[in-house]
Amino acid sequence: GAGVSQSPSNKVTEKGKDVELRCDPISGHTALYWYRQSLGQGLEFLIYFQGNSAPDKSGLPSDRFSAERTGGSVSTLTIQRTQQEDSAVYLCASSLEAQGAYLISGNTIYFGEGSWLTVV
Amino acid sequence: KQEVTQIPAALSVPEGENLVLNCSFTDSAIYNLQWFRQDPGKGLTSLLLIQSSQREQTSGRLNASLDKSSGRSTLYIAASQPGDSATYLCAVMMGAQKLVFGQGTRLTINP
Repeated sequence: GAGVSQSPSNKVTEKGKDVELRCDPISGHTALYWYRQSLGQGLEFLIYFQGNSAPDKSGLPSDRFSAERTGGSVSTLTIQRTQQEDSAVYLCASSLEAQGAYLISGNTIYFGEGSWLTVV
Repeated sequence: KQEVTQIPAALSVPEGENLVLNCSFTDSAIYNLQWFRQDPGKGLTSLLLIQSSQREQTSGRLNASLDKSSGRSTLYIAASQPGDSATYLCAVMMGAQKLVFGQGTRLTINP
């Protein structure tokens, strides 16, 4: 697609329910990122995918959070047993990526418009 | 641990003024630095990317500089317009493709 697409754009869920957030990156982008922006806070790194593998999961806040990516394209971020502190905007981004572990420092990262999650 | 700080947190200026937004970071071992714009209720739009080996980048009325040794970057906006009103975020790229963001500067341009 022309840009990074995220769905749903808005989600209100009851505490304790599971939610799935979807990200469709720009076609051809092999790197995919999830960030979280809580009200009044900066952006917080969650996880990064290179292809279907996740070299860095260090930002996932708890074991209730998981993410997967299939076919080197669409990614799903799943939050189990949601808590009120999970309320935030979840932003997905993608970029071109070099072969293997080598970084291309000039790659611009493109963000989607986010999924606004409210846990009540 | 990398920390990115943006000053000021908010800025309000009349239309037409030139202005400078500041960003500082604590760890100079970065791959690149990006400036983003975020409009209310929207995602982030990349404005400029400066590679670690570069000193500045320009795009239209925007100019970003990078002094990696001192851990500083500035975003210069010339002849500001009301449409420039947004939150401007600075982010540095660390290893493993991790962006570390500042808290942003909320800019308001008054007509």
